[in-house]
Amino acid sequence: QSALSQPASVSGSPGQSITISCTGTSSDVGAYDHVSWYQQHPGKAPKVMIYDVSNRPSGVSSRFSGSKSDNTASLTISGLQAEDEADYYCSSYTSSRTEVFGTGTKVTVL
Amino acid sequence: EVQVLESGGGLVQSGGSLRLSCAASGFTFSSYAMIWVRQGPGKGLEWLSAISASAGTTYYADSVKGRFTISRDNSKNTVYLQMNSLRDEDTGVYFCAKGRGYVTPDHWGQGALVTVSS
Repeated sequence: QSALSQPASVSGSPGQSITISCTGTSSDVGAYDHVSWYQQHPGKAPKVMIYDVSNRPSGVSSRFSGSKSDNTASLTISGLQAEDEADYYCSSYTSSRTEVFGTGTKVTVL
Repeated sequence: EVQVLESGGGLVQSGGSLRLSCAASGFTFSSYAMIWVRQGPGKGLEWLSAISASAGTTYYADSVKGRFTISRDNSKNTVYLQMNSLRDEDTGVYFCAKGRGYVTPDHWGQGALVTVSS
């Protein structure tokens, strides 16, 4: 199972909105509405920010939103803040009954 | 509060074995799948394995199938990852996570470092 494709880096100024893409295939992202997004600060454990494409767990800021179209999922962070600077990973359920992660995107707040 | 805590990491020679443990609390352990994920040095996340709530079904990534075995003891709220025939590329931080659905990580532990040296 190949990793889902994400841009290596995305940057934005405080207050701006950024979008991270996550491209898979018809055997993972395109087949199921089970895409998750994780935030990982250096040396820390990943934290789920979005699950099932667009659902936010309790306690996650409404500035984070998710969507999906065909084989590509997206995470949008609006009102970018310094604390949002981190690595972000998408993941998807697959037709092999496993999970596959994206390659990861480093978000930089300018 | 959901908590998962990995243990058992360390330094092992190439070809050797190691067993990781993950103790969970704050939720009904026997009702949830449990997941193992690793992260190589400076690399991304790699999904490794999952086990169903009842331990009746297990899932593995191709990269570890036949070498790693996941198991759980619901009486001890603990999940295990037995790792055999370890290779240099198995080096990394191993995370345990409570599952959402069958194989998707939800709440993560802080990780256990495994170093495989030849």
